Amino acid sequence: EIVMTQSPATLSVSPGERATLSCRASQSVSSNLAWYQQKPGQAPRLLIYGASTRATGIPARFSGSASGTEFTLTISSLQSEDFAVYYCQQYNNWPPVTFGQGTRLEIK
Amino acid sequence: EVQLVESGGGLVQPGGSLRLSCTASGFTFSSYEMNWVRQAPGKGLDWVSSISGSAITTYYADSVKGRFTISRDNAKNSLYLQMNSLRAEDTAVYYCARDLPPDYGGKFRFDSWGQGTLVTVSS
Repeated sequence: EIVMTQSPATLSVSPGERATLSCRASQSVSSNLAWYQQKPGQAPRLLIYGASTRATGIPARFSGSASGTEFTLTISSLQSEDFAVYYCQQYNNWPPVTFGQGTRLEIK
Repeated sequence: EVQLVESGGGLVQPGGSLRLSCTASGFTFSSYEMNWVRQAPGKGLDWVSSISGSAITTYYADSVKGRFTISRDNAKNSLYLQMNSLRAEDTAVYYCARDLPPDYGGKFRFDSWGQGTLVTVSS
């Protein structure tokens, strides 16, 4: 089973600033990596798949990148609605697909 | 508009059974792989099971294999999860989640989710 490790656990950023969230896979997952956003009391929402492709309707301020087994989600200019928990997920080696433990993005 | 509505959650004793349902609308249900993903209170996301559009192929997490059964009825646009021999660690919100459209290729990218149904296993 591939283990996904996200860092940091909590990230404090001011509105309008850039946020950078990291996710590391325990072995290669190629570019088969997705990012989700989850707000309190809501279901997750797909943001990014294929490591860097934005899902339908996702604003351009969200971008994903990859380098080997390291993946990054960048939010270029934080809006109030972006403060949430973010999960990465690999879907290269399955079953099972596996998620990271999440990064909580909070207002500084 | 894509809609997924789960039902069937509730309180059940350890060792008991429960059947979850997910009713889909707004898309051609039979064309899509469907999944169950759960989230224990205050915890992260945990994939449970997946089923192909034709229901020929199913996959399970090791933690539920032999206890849970995923199925679907394409005529009723419905997905199910039969949960037997329930344990305290199965307590979670269970989400029904749809894969990306088939023409995207691949699987296990969850682009639409229901609101979830809470399963509590406790005596």
